[in-house]
Amino acid sequence: DTGVSQDPRHKITKRGQNVTFRCDPISEHNRLYWYRQTLGQGPEFLTYFQNEAQLEKSRLLSDRFSAERPKGSFSTLEIQRTEQGDSAMYLCASSSTGSQPQHFGDGTRLSIL
Amino acid sequence: DQQVKQNSPSLSVQEGRISILNCDYTNSMFDYFLWYKKYPAEGPTFLISISSIKDKNEDGRFTVFLNKSAKHLSLHIVPSQPGDSAVYFCAAIQTGANNLFFGTGTRLTVIP
Repeated sequence: DTGVSQDPRHKITKRGQNVTFRCDPISEHNRLYWYRQTLGQGPEFLTYFQNEAQLEKSRLLSDRFSAERPKGSFSTLEIQRTEQGDSAMYLCASSSTGSQPQHFGDGTRLSIL
Repeated sequence: DQQVKQNSPSLSVQEGRISILNCDYTNSMFDYFLWYKKYPAEGPTFLISISSIKDKNEDGRFTVFLNKSAKHLSLHIVPSQPGDSAVYFCAAIQTGANNLFFGTGTRLTVIP
């Protein structure tokens, strides 16, 4: 069990640029989740995949955000035309079933200049 | 609308004493509750959970208590150790749903 891996750990970019993050879940987990955490808050749900299917999206996931999990393994989260308010920690989690705890990666910290 | 609340932003406890972290929720549909621990620059690490069919779950030094009528849960750590110093998040989920709802966290400091 190598845990959930996220890349990069930090991303600094200028406002208006596009960014993409990657998440590799625990290998036997077919459920994958993205969350966003801002300073002083707990993680907030963004979206959920079961295998390659994106089954749920939060209203926090604006049109500038898109997530994929093309082969049911790793996932990517892309933010287009970044804004200051996108600065946050983006966390990925995975689980084997819906009744099992979600296990989190160490996150990607995004800073918008 | 914060459905899971942790009203104490911080807590300091002497090493060897009991730490009690509290959490309240408003959504009566939540039936599974979790505690996560978070160190700086790391993601949340799952600690312990409890189903709504139970009122207590114990794992070593960690015990979670659930009071459904009060919509309240607590995490007890005894004895507290300096390595327990971290931010603790309470989370809740409804069976069949996919998204965890988190509180804002409580920073625990265990003083040697």
